[in-house]
Amino acid sequence: DTAVSQTPKYLVTQMGNDKSIKCEQNLGHDTMYWYKQDSKKFLKIMFSYNNKELIINETVPNRFSPKSPDKAHLNLHINSLELGDSAVYFCASSHQGQYTGELFFGEGSRLTVL
Amino acid sequence: AQSVTQPDIHITVSEGASLELRCNYSYGATPYLFWYVQSPGQGLQLLLKYFSGDTLVQGIKGFEAEFKRSQSSFNLRKPSVHWSDAAEYFCAVGALGSGTYKYIFGTGTRLKVLA
Repeated sequence: DTAVSQTPKYLVTQMGNDKSIKCEQNLGHDTMYWYKQDSKKFLKIMFSYNNKELIINETVPNRFSPKSPDKAHLNLHINSLELGDSAVYFCASSHQGQYTGELFFGEGSRLTVL
Repeated sequence: AQSVTQPDIHITVSEGASLELRCNYSYGATPYLFWYVQSPGQGLQLLLKYFSGDTLVQGIKGFEAEFKRSQSSFNLRKPSVHWSDAAEYFCAVGALGSGTYKYIFGTGTRLKVLA
């Protein structure tokens, strides 16, 4: 049973299109994240939600809109896709609070914008 | 600001040789420290973590790391590398800021293993 699962695994689309990536975790964690990994493997945090509340919002274009319907799900919608959005997007989760733990990652969603 | 530095972008070792991957961090308090491994086309898997206590931590796949506060380092070691260890390795720090923990990653070290 996959702990952090994200779909789709691959996305190929044209510039200007809108796309979404979904993420679900079954670990009972209260905090979820989106990370972007570029072609040089650099991992940069984009957003973090704690119990459905946005707590980290790094400098990300407002074409990116996260949504957390409940604490087990965090989706990422991207409007008007650009070439520079091509990357691997990782969802992750952790527990924060009295005991803050490590990040658990999904397998990634590779987005290619043509 | 918190940061993590992995000075070696690439490292090549022969199978059976020992390995040390370097990691330095910048953070005002005692950090939470992690090492992750990423195989091609895969997500990141936790190798080991340091929260407190014994500064030498053991992880999976025969890896260990040592936290040295005086050097702000958390280097990863393995006494004998296997060909299957070829992957990208990331050091990360969990740092408290504005009431929440942020996990900051280094730029990664790509390990190549020669048969």
